Amino acid sequence: SQQGEEDPQALSIQEGENATMNCSYKTSINNLQWYRQNSGRGLVHLILIRSNEREKHSGRLRVTLDTSKKSSSLLITASRAADTASYFCATAAGSGDKLTFGTGTRLAVRP
Amino acid sequence: DAGITQSPRHKVTETGTPVTLRCHQTENHRYMYWYRQDPGHGLRLIHYSYGVKDTDKGEVSDGYSVSRSKTEDFLLTLESATSSQTSVYFCAIWEGAGQPQHFGDGTRLSIL
Repeated sequence: SQQGEEDPQALSIQEGENATMNCSYKTSINNLQWYRQNSGRGLVHLILIRSNEREKHSGRLRVTLDTSKKSSSLLITASRAADTASYFCATAAGSGDKLTFGTGTRLAVRP
Repeated sequence: DAGITQSPRHKVTETGTPVTLRCHQTENHRYMYWYRQDPGHGLRLIHYSYGVKDTDKGEVSDGYSVSRSKTEDFLLTLESATSSQTSVYFCAIWEGAGQPQHFGDGTRLSIL
């Protein structure tokens, strides 16, 4: 079963604009993580937010977590062409922090 | 980059043949994972290991087996490959609570 559902499935923006992606999940979690995947490559970890945190920043990334609504958002500010990639949320739950991934958002940043 | 190496990176084989994928880590992490990635499904957990000879099933374990005889190596075996197992397979390692998983570059497996 798919824990995370991401919205939108695809997003196309102009360089310099902000990009927002949303993730919803169904069960209780230890933490929620966001990953980036460039075409044909592995996943690169971006940011981890614990279940008792509400907001976290890392460079141009801002992640929020609302456990009451079981949702998270990833904001990329001042986007660059190099941000073009697929972005996945993943919820960690249970022993071993087993990850359940969403289906991803494909982001295209136009120069 | 986390020290994870997957081999082979690409493989084409025929239905019914056995296939083994290898994941090797140099980080000495206790936990290792195998995922498959298919269009429209994101990544799904196949099996994971929490120590030498300690493994457990994930969401999509049917048709797959794993072995971990050394901390650094986690093998994924398709005993008799089927076309539905055509996918990209990713290995990941995990240091412990509060840390993210780190992924290898993947193995693209095509079963004809």
